[in-house]
Amino acid sequence: GDSVTQMEGPVTLSEEAFLTINCTYTATGYPSLFWYVQYPGEGLQLLLKATKADDKGSNKGFEATYRKETTSFHLEKGSVQVSDSAVYFCALSDYSSGNTPLVFGKGTRLSVIA
Amino acid sequence: GAGVSQSPSNKVTEKGKDVELRCDPISGHTALYWYRQSLGQGLEFLIYFQGNSAPDKSGLPSDRFSAERTGGSVSTLTIQRTQQEDSAVYLCASSLGGASKGQNEQYFGPGTRLTVT
Repeated sequence: GDSVTQMEGPVTLSEEAFLTINCTYTATGYPSLFWYVQYPGEGLQLLLKATKADDKGSNKGFEATYRKETTSFHLEKGSVQVSDSAVYFCALSDYSSGNTPLVFGKGTRLSVIA
Repeated sequence: GAGVSQSPSNKVTEKGKDVELRCDPISGHTALYWYRQSLGQGLEFLIYFQGNSAPDKSGLPSDRFSAERTGGSVSTLTIQRTQQEDSAVYLCASSLGGASKGQNEQYFGPGTRLTVT
């Protein structure tokens, strides 16, 4: 079945450092890809998404590009802030077979220190 | 507008008791999902409702778990004879449920934290 693999944390960075969180996927169809973020004490929020190959999703300074050839959707940010400390989840949904549930990676905890 | 709401926010129950968790989706959203977030298993899909179609129950971990969606809106997840391994955060999400990929973003509620003692 479909699956998502993302780097396991925790990841600790200093403020203004460059962030990469790797995410790769396997899917039988042609999925849409997502990054969700969970801030401390809060619910899951959609951070960004991409629905087809070479699409770049972006939001709040974060970016991820849908790479079909490498089945990847790595999350990047050029300069992290303390407020970016959260757990980040990569996910896919394989709409080729309908409006299907999300398949999530295990999550990566990011801590940014001042 | 109002987002997805869930109740209760926290539930502590004794092993062997039944519990009911409630989800109110965003108005107009025809698709509703239940997920479970636990330390050992990450985020797992449980069950999915789309309009009047039969629900996709493929993620339910045992027959102690069931869910209903009345009138195409509110949903209740029921866990019978709770076990300690059922302790987790139960998340509900809804989406427009249209045929287009762009209509299928899922919006999550704050979750219900279930603790089975």
